[in-house]
Formats: sequence, structure tokens, C-alpha cells
Amino acid sequence: NAGVTQTPKFRILKIGQSMTLQCTQDMNHNYMYWYRQDPGMGLKLIYYSVGAGITDKGEVPNGYNVSRSTTEDFPLRLELAAPSQTSVYFCASSSRLAGAETGELFFGEGSRLTVL
Amino acid sequence: AQTVTQSQPEMSVQEAETVTLSCTYDTSENNYYLFWYKQPPSRQMILVIRQEAYKQQNATENRFSVNFQKAAKSFSLKISDSQLGDTAMYFCAFRTSGTYKYIFGTGTRLKVLA
Repeated sequence: NAGVTQTPKFRILKIGQSMTLQCTQDMNHNYMYWYRQDPGMGLKLIYYSVGAGITDKGEVPNGYNVSRSTTEDFPLRLELAAPSQTSVYFCASSSRLAGAETGELFFGEGSRLTVL
Repeated sequence: AQTVTQSQPEMSVQEAETVTLSCTYDTSENNYYLFWYKQPPSRQMILVIRQEAYKQQNATENRFSVNFQKAAKSFSLKISDSQLGDTAMYFCAFRTSGTYKYIFGTGTRLKVLA
């Protein structure tokens, strides 16, 4: 029972480099999210998606892009990495609230990104 | 605007004792879900307990229970018989029915002392 899987777990980037954080879920969830968590802080929403082909900005979208070509996958791309993007990134998913759904947000294990 | 407030940035408790973490929220909606998540040093976000707003009975999961006061918009977490493994950051969150959005508090760092 994999749940939400994100890769890589750790990555060091140089300023100006680009990379993609991968996220996949096997629970057939409609909603997917990317959060960042700076040291000692709470979660900030970067982007979210309510279904395949539909994405929208969260609180802190600048410097990031996403796509959602399938229900399962929701990659996050960092273009031109900057030190301010040093953070821990969490992918998460949830279902529409219907029937016996619990409304719970399921998280991946997080990806620690350092930009030097 | 919908908000979640955790007014205790840090707390500590002796092993085996009981501790209560506070959470208040603000929403004009009537139907919503409330959650407590635990984030240990491993950084994995783990659901501790959930509460549906339409249920009057407070949720309980083993040593964890909530005191849900809907009129006061309060959702505190009580940890009984605290264990060293309870040391973590705890986040309160809610989600309104019919939306995708989760609102998180800023977290309370709990340290259980031996």
C-alpha cells in the first residue's frame, strides 16, 4: 500500500539549475498538492490540482511549475533554482468528500532540497 | 478569511503525564473536518486524529483525544500517558466540505521529557 510517493528524498542544487520533484499516488485521489516547509515553520501551499489537466496556484507559486497529465502524477518543477527555495517539499493528496471518505490529507515522506 | 491559530509554539511534558495542545479556528462554514497531524524528527506527516464537525462526540484514538467545542471554534488535543515517541511538531488543520483546501496552523513543538 504505497500511498503518496515522492522522489528524490534529498537533492542539492546549484543556483540556476533546474529539477523536477516527482509525486505519484495510488489512491485514485482527485486532489493533489505541493507544500513547502521552511525550517521550524508551517506548511505553505505552492500549487494544487483538482483533477487531471487542472492546476492552480497556491500561496507561494513563484519559481515553480506543475503539470497534471494523469490522476496519479503531479510533478513539481523548479526553474532557475535560488537559495530561497531551500526547503522541505511535501506532496499530498486527498479525495472529494463523499460517502465514507474521511477527508484526510495523505502526505509523501518529503523531499529535502538545498540550493547552494 | 478562514484561519487556524495554535497559540503555543512550544510545550514540554514529563513522560507518563497528560498534556493538552490548543487550537482555535475561524470559519463561517457549518460543515467541515478537523485534523491533528504529528510531524516527528523524521519529518513524515502523520495523521493523529480527525473530527467531523457534525459529530458532537469527541474523537478518541488510544491515548489521543480531542475536546471539540464547535460554538467556541476550539479543537484541542489531549495526549494521555505521554511517551518519548510523542516528541514532535503537532499541526492543527481543517477542511470545509465541498472544497479542496486545507488550512493549517503554525504548529506546536512538543517535547516529552524522560
